[in-house]
Amino acid sequence: QLQLQESGPGLVKPSETLSLTCTVSGGSISNRDYYWGWIRQPPGKGLEWIGTIYYSGSTYYNVSLKSRVTISVDMSKNQFSLKLSSVTAADTAVYYCARQLNSWAYHYFYMDVWGKGTTVTVSS
Amino acid sequence: QSVLTQPPSVSAAPGQKVTISCSASSSNIGNNYVSWYQQLPGTAPKLLIYDNNKRPSGIPDRFSGSKSGTSATLGITGLQTGDEADYYCGTWDSSLSAYVFGTGTKVTVL
Repeated sequence: QLQLQESGPGLVKPSETLSLTCTVSGGSISNRDYYWGWIRQPPGKGLEWIGTIYYSGSTYYNVSLKSRVTISVDMSKNQFSLKLSSVTAADTAVYYCARQLNSWAYHYFYMDVWGKGTTVTVSS
Repeated sequence: QSVLTQPPSVSAAPGQKVTISCSASSSNIGNNYVSWYQQLPGTAPKLLIYDNNKRPSGIPDRFSGSKSGTSATLGITGLQTGDEADYYCGTWDSSLSAYVFGTGTKVTVL
């Protein structure tokens, strides 16, 4: 049974870089059928897609965050990571990682397995 | 600033039915399959419906999805107190080259 677990600091200072890791267990991150994504949810608000990576390293980012986001994959550790630079209070949120099924040819896109989420607060 | 619009809330008595709409445009719902997610209080979202109307293993058939043109609908029949949650639609927006979520709908069981 596939499981995803987010990890990283729960508190980040303004202007610094937020760094989170998602560890995948029960399956291989190099499985060609899947993509791997990050989603966040500010307190009391809705879901926001941050970006997605394929095992090959191809990335897709939310244009509103693109200048500050880097998502990478480490197949040796079966992990993928998120870095968000120059954070402000507006980046305070619960951050989720998820497995995604995407097909631009057949037009299906969804997230079928989610981590439990990790809360990140941006504050001095 | 979501491009997928949902009603903020819907409610009904136990055993009744509710429907949640998700309206958008041809660049997203109009050309791509829609998925729905259930987020129980304090928990991570869970996939409820994918490819407009398919249910993952373990999701009861009380939950159904449909799509027509640039709108999608989630239906919940035989409403239970355990269905109280936030529900989000989602799909790919080809114009934005981004995955987009709906604004979210809170379901309350009266």
